[in-house]
Amino acid sequence: NAGVTQTPKFQVLKTGQSMTLQCAQDMNHEYMSWYRQDPGMGLRLIHYSVGAGITDQGEVPNGYNVSRSTTEDFPLRLLSAAPSQTSVYFCASTGLSEGDTQYFGPGTRLTVL
Amino acid sequence: AQSVAQPEDQVNVAEGNPLTVKCTYSVSGNPYLFWYVQYPNRGLQFLLKYITGDNLVKGSYGFEAEFNKSQTSFHLKKPSALVSDSALYFCAVRRAGTASKLTFGTGTRLQVTL
Repeated sequence: NAGVTQTPKFQVLKTGQSMTLQCAQDMNHEYMSWYRQDPGMGLRLIHYSVGAGITDQGEVPNGYNVSRSTTEDFPLRLLSAAPSQTSVYFCASTGLSEGDTQYFGPGTRLTVL
Repeated sequence: AQSVAQPEDQVNVAEGNPLTVKCTYSVSGNPYLFWYVQYPNRGLQFLLKYITGDNLVKGSYGFEAEFNKSQTSFHLKKPSALVSDSALYFCAVRRAGTASKLTFGTGTRLQVTL
């Protein structure tokens, strides 16, 4: 199993550009989520999904869109990048059974100029 | 609402000495508690979790954590620190029975020196 994979690893954007961060998992997990990590702030939940066709907002959803057309994939779209979106983005997945562990991808480091 | 506090931004310890990384939480209902470790330029790796049962939980790389319900704490411990344990450690909580929304602390950087 590859686990949770993310592409790209690094990305530099100009303000106003759009892009999609890819996330895929091969563990047949129902639940997938996106976090951003900023110094001194831990990980903050952006969006999450409990299954194909179902998404919901987390703590910091503004400026981001998600969709979940398959169990395996959960892309994160930046609609119009802003310098405040410079961060490291992590995708995670887990099953929905009690006590299931959430597993994380390697991250995407995004810089918005 | 649920929250996690990691009161120390950094913990310094000499190799061979015991280490403790503190975590307190707030959640309505029963908690599920997790510790993750992050090495430089890497993703988060799962260390251990408390779901139910024995309050002392053993995890990867010799780490353990003790769940204390009365103090709402879940401190991470290791009897003898290694330089290779130097990393960023995150505590996380979610409410039992919920669909896996984890809330993380701000992280504690562990520095182990020779």
